[in-house]
Amino acid sequence: QSALTQPPSASGSPGQSVTISCTGTSSDVGGYNSVSWYQQHPGKAPKLMIYEVRQRPSGVPDRFSGSKSGNTASLTVSGLQAEDEADYYCSSYAGSKKWGVVFGGGTKLTVL
Amino acid sequence: QITLKESGPTLVKPTQTLTLTCTFSGFSLSTSGVGVGWIRQPPGKALEWLALIYWDDDKRYTPSLKNRLTITKDTSKNQVVLTMTNMDPVDTATYYCAHRKSGVSVYYFDFWGQGTLVTVSS
Repeated sequence: QSALTQPPSASGSPGQSVTISCTGTSSDVGGYNSVSWYQQHPGKAPKLMIYEVRQRPSGVPDRFSGSKSGNTASLTVSGLQAEDEADYYCSSYAGSKKWGVVFGGGTKLTVL
Repeated sequence: QITLKESGPTLVKPTQTLTLTCTFSGFSLSTSGVGVGWIRQPPGKALEWLALIYWDDDKRYTPSLKNRLTITKDTSKNQVVLTMTNMDPVDTATYYCAHRKSGVSVYYFDFWGQGTLVTVSS
């Protein structure tokens, strides 16, 4: 069982927007602005898409955005494209007593 | 550009010790703030952070596996080594190493290796 809770699946049609949630606790997601999101295509390594809740690394399209409210973080993909179909994992800092990061269980995003 | 690559055995027997090497380029592990971490992913399952080593040799381990893990670095060779003792079939996974950039409160990995699949079976 993963530390952070994500829906197992999400879907949307090309051009639509879809939001993936990531729920933790006040000890991780809610306690720090250290949520990140990774995209993983089958057989490939994860790719950083969002860090520090809403920051995008260079090269990541602005169709990807992040937010947080309380203990829940969200990743929104706008203007869905076929290549956005992948697994998405959230991650959060878990506090100084147990340094490190915790991951969510992953969400399979399907572009219909 | 930053690249990382994992290497090691593809098959280990139960109770054996796994040794994985991460060879990287494009950065130095002697640069203040930089770190290299290990993350694993069982087939069809989620990611799990295992360990991280900083430029100053400070080390962090996931609490549940702390007693089985050791992470070390060889700055001159641009390598980080992870050992995991007493391997079990549940440890079958793809093991990734990843770069942690310099900075305060950086709790993410911006570059990842391609991963190496390790199967634990007799």
